[in-house]
Amino acid sequence: QEKVQQSPESLIVPEGAMSSLNCTFSNSASQSIWWYQQHPGKGPEALISIFSNGNKKEGRLTVYLNRASLHVSLHIRDSQPSDSAVYLCAVSIAGGYKVVFGSGTRLLVSP
Amino acid sequence: NSKVIQTPRYLVKGQGQKAKMRCIPEKGHPVVFWYQQNKNNEFKFLINFQNQEVLQQIDMTEKRFSAECPSNSPCSLEIQSSEAGDSALYLCASSLSWGGNTEVFFGKGTRLTVV
Repeated sequence: QEKVQQSPESLIVPEGAMSSLNCTFSNSASQSIWWYQQHPGKGPEALISIFSNGNKKEGRLTVYLNRASLHVSLHIRDSQPSDSAVYLCAVSIAGGYKVVFGSGTRLLVSP
Repeated sequence: NSKVIQTPRYLVKGQGQKAKMRCIPEKGHPVVFWYQQNKNNEFKFLINFQNQEVLQQIDMTEKRFSAECPSNSPCSLEIQSSEAGDSALYLCASSLSWGGNTEVFFGKGTRLTVV
């Protein structure tokens, strides 16, 4: 049974700062790791994904994957109040038919 | 932006009543998932389909929950006899294929309250 753990549970950063979110997963055979953003009253929306070890950058977002340590992190540069949301780490299972989600990090960016 | 459409947005049922919600996946997406998200943001996988065929479902789904994705009609999830613990946000999602780097697109969800 794949397990996805996220930390911290909640994070408060000032506007303009870097936000750093962490995720660990239990299965090294996991395929892709996705980060989703969920605003109140809405479904999750995909932000960025990573498959290979290393890092991937898209705009203000950078994601780092280390399969050996089963760890992935998301960093949001120049955080804005509009980035305030719940961020969900999701792992697709190799050979499986579902995506397993962590319970999220609630990010609050204070103006 | 996701084009997965879920109806209704809100559903209130008494204990023991049936609760039914619907989902229209993105056009051309053969894979459909249903998840239950509780107030602690925890996701529970319920069932998934490829075209009209169920691929996986959890035990809970097999007992009180039923779901289908008929061709040319919306997918649906029905709870036969609602319980207080079923109160949650029910999310439908669709994708082009399984695993790999395939993005899963979510609807806005149906929030079920069982009173």
